Amino acid sequence: DAGVIQSPRHEVTEMGQEVTLRCKPISGHNSLFWYRQTMMRGLELLIYFNNNVPIDDSGMPEDRFSAKMPNASFSTLKIQPSEPRDSAVYFCASSKGGKDEQFFGPGTRLTVL
Amino acid sequence: KNEVEQSPQNLTAQEGEFITINCSYSVGISALHWLQQHPGGGIVSLFMLSSGKKKHGRLIATINIQEKHSSLHITASHPRDSAVYICAVRTGNQFYFGTGTSLTVIP
Repeated sequence: DAGVIQSPRHEVTEMGQEVTLRCKPISGHNSLFWYRQTMMRGLELLIYFNNNVPIDDSGMPEDRFSAKMPNASFSTLKIQPSEPRDSAVYFCASSKGGKDEQFFGPGTRLTVL
Repeated sequence: KNEVEQSPQNLTAQEGEFITINCSYSVGISALHWLQQHPGGGIVSLFMLSSGKKKHGRLIATINIQEKHSSLHITASHPRDSAVYICAVRTGNQFYFGTGTSLTVIP
């Protein structure tokens, strides 16, 4: 299995631009998690899907952030408009069930200038 | 207020030493995770446990639910164990993360 795939691996954009991060979970996994990691705040859970349905999005920082999971093999995290404080590494993880071991993607390093 | 506290923050050990990393939490949990983050940034899940003890190779994780405490032990440490180890707890649909323990194992 290829593991969790994220794209792009690196993204540099200017403040105000729209940013879309992509994630392909491991085939057969029903749960998908988006995390953000910064030096100041460490790892934070942004949103969690189970069977393509958002279960908890209380970690999404504000309305500029949105996440979708149109099918079992694809999810996006969108930031519009982006701000410099959104600069972070964004990880996607998947698991067979919501309470099972999670497998992490390599992350997307986002820099907003 | 941090729901998850790890200690120590930084740890340097000689190759072969026995290492212990501690995690204390303040919320009721359904599971506790130990994660390893390599210098390149990738994250690997080491253990997920809700009671007792688990062992995988040279790694052992224990949890005491009554005391709200978990430990990660590394026996016969090796330079390749150098990484940041992160404790995370799950309560309902929420996850809380420790700030990590940075481990350096010197040959």
